[in-house]
Amino acid sequence: GQQVMQIPQYQHVQEGEDFTTYCNSSTTLSNIQWYKQRPGGHPVFLIQLVKSGEVKKQKRLTFQFGEAKKNSSLHITATQTTDVGTYFCAGPNTGNQFYFGTGTSLTVIP
Amino acid sequence: NAGVTQTPKFRILKIGQSMTLQCTQDMNHNYMYWYRQDPGMGLKLIYYSVGAGITDKGEVPNGYNVSRSTTEDFPLRLELAAPSQTSVYFCASSNPGSHYGYTFGSGTRLTVV
Repeated sequence: GQQVMQIPQYQHVQEGEDFTTYCNSSTTLSNIQWYKQRPGGHPVFLIQLVKSGEVKKQKRLTFQFGEAKKNSSLHITATQTTDVGTYFCAGPNTGNQFYFGTGTSLTVIP
Repeated sequence: NAGVTQTPKFRILKIGQSMTLQCTQDMNHNYMYWYRQDPGMGLKLIYYSVGAGITDKGEVPNGYNVSRSTTEDFPLRLELAAPSQTSVYFCASSNPGSHYGYTFGSGTRLTVV
């Protein structure tokens, strides 16, 4: 079935450094979504990518969808302590239920 | 507009007990979902519903049941609780084809002892 893998599982960065998490699917995805979960909180939707090669930006966050629509990345420029949390990608199966990746836990050291 | 509301927030169950986790949404979303999240792990889909009266199994349905009698409500039933069901349970809702993703509830933290 649908599998979405994320790397790395954990990342510690100094405040001000950049951060990237990668998401890889075993199958071609019609679209991909990204979520952020703060410690002790619930996942919050960030963005959806639909087109091959699509790049979207939200302030310091840059999201990319691969040309083959099998991978995606989230890049944060100049991390801040407010960026702390776990970032999940999620891809849909044929029934449009989203299966979540294992997540990347980001720690930002002040 | 409350979004997705889950109750209770915390619960401790003894092995073999049963309980219902409540989930209600006021956004008139057709699709609703139940996920579980184990410590340090991602979210696993338990059950989902594409509309009132329609439910289907996700990745990890064993030990759970759901019903969807109204658009707003999607309760999750645990029968004969087991320690392996200790987890955080999230309910979510969405509309098909939406570009706004899932809206999650704040979760129910369940411990089975």
